[in-house]
Amino acid sequence: AQSVDQPDAHVTLSEGASLELRCSYSYSAAPYLFWYVQYPGQSLQFLLKYITGDTVVKGTKGFEAEFRKSNSSFNLKKSPAHWSDSAKYFCALVSGGSNYKLTFGKGTLLTVTP
Amino acid sequence: EAAVTQSPRNKVAVTGGKVTLSCNQTNNHNNMYWYRQDTGHGLRLIHYSYGAGSTEKGDIPDGYKASRPSQENFSLILELATPSQTSVYFCASGDLGGRFVEQYFGPGTRLTVL
Repeated sequence: AQSVDQPDAHVTLSEGASLELRCSYSYSAAPYLFWYVQYPGQSLQFLLKYITGDTVVKGTKGFEAEFRKSNSSFNLKKSPAHWSDSAKYFCALVSGGSNYKLTFGKGTLLTVTP
Repeated sequence: EAAVTQSPRNKVAVTGGKVTLSCNQTNNHNNMYWYRQDTGHGLRLIHYSYGAGSTEKGDIPDGYKASRPSQENFSLILELATPSQTSVYFCASGDLGGRFVEQYFGPGTRLTVL
């Protein structure tokens, strides 16, 4: 069975700092990995995905993520962080087959202070 | 632009009552999904569908039924609502395709069961 772990429930940093949100996964096959963002009171929005190829993928809103097979991680990064980046971030893994099921981590709440 | 809509946006139900949550997508995606979001759990998959007429159990299907009468519409049905089903419910659509299209999420339905 697949699983996604986001070990940091809450991350706080100052505007202008670099942010890195951690995500690790467990899956026996080649993973397809996603990051979504949820602003307060809103739905989830797609940020970026890793399917194959380059291990550093760039997404919307200036975010990028690095896939590391060696330690089963897919960390989200941005520099510099802006107060408007304050939101909850979810890492997700697609399981195999045609059903395209997403398994989500529990999310990391990011607070960027001005 | 891809669009997923949900109705109602807010619902208060009584214990033992029947609740139907509706979802419509204009993305022409084959797959549709129902998730619930609870604090401390992230998003969890309830039911999903490959296309009109099909429904499949997700990770937490107990107490829920689903119906997919057409490509565009996917409903989640709580035959006998319980307070433990108080949550925010999200519908999503997605497809595999050649580019492994990400899932698009609706705005969510906040359900309170008293």
